[in-house]
Amino acid sequence: DTGVSQNPRHKITKRGQNVTFRCDPISEHNRLYWYRQTLGQGPEFLTYFQNEAQLEKSRLLSDRFSAERPKGSFSTLEIQRTEQGDSAMYLCASSLAGLELFFGEGSRLTVL
Amino acid sequence: EDQVTQSPEALRLQEGESSSLNCSYTVSGLRGLFWYRQDPGKGPEFLFTLYSAGEEKEKERLKATLTKKESFLHITAPKPEDSATYLCAVPSGGSYIPTFGRGTSLIVHP
Repeated sequence: DTGVSQNPRHKITKRGQNVTFRCDPISEHNRLYWYRQTLGQGPEFLTYFQNEAQLEKSRLLSDRFSAERPKGSFSTLEIQRTEQGDSAMYLCASSLAGLELFFGEGSRLTVL
Repeated sequence: EDQVTQSPEALRLQEGESSSLNCSYTVSGLRGLFWYRQDPGKGPEFLFTLYSAGEEKEKERLKATLTKKESFLHITAPKPEDSATYLCAVPSGGSYIPTFGRGTSLIVHP
């Protein structure tokens, strides 16, 4: 399967714990995006990388959130000291030179 | 501020009852408009990209059209398997990052 892969698909954690999500993009794509989606809403932009450089971050991305894309390949999104408001679907997408995005299946986070 | 607005929020159709979904946008210098389909609990699936007013694209029972201020997704003779949320997105801002609408939830009854 050469699509975008995200792990884990589901994560249940207690408030205050740290969680990390991984995204493996389509191999030839140079851009990688993270979005967050809550029920009844469209995806909201969090951050994106061009190759290994993180070029833009949304104001939604508080200092508890950090994303990396070492060597321009896979990416990780870490949330520290999780809060109940962090419960959402975290979507990763990749694209070639800013064209249409191709999404993974998402990682659903539930914070108890 | 660039905005993407979709209507209606929800739409219920009988199988075979054709209809249209709307996506209106306020973006200066449009660099494409994307349509996606999203099934519950899954990531959005890419459907179409439209680049210029007057452009149309088709896929099975779906046809997307674009004007200078809005796009329509026409669904002809829908089937229950067309039930999903349909999202549109427009690249915006200096980095042309896709901004999504809230989507239209479509339910097609047999």
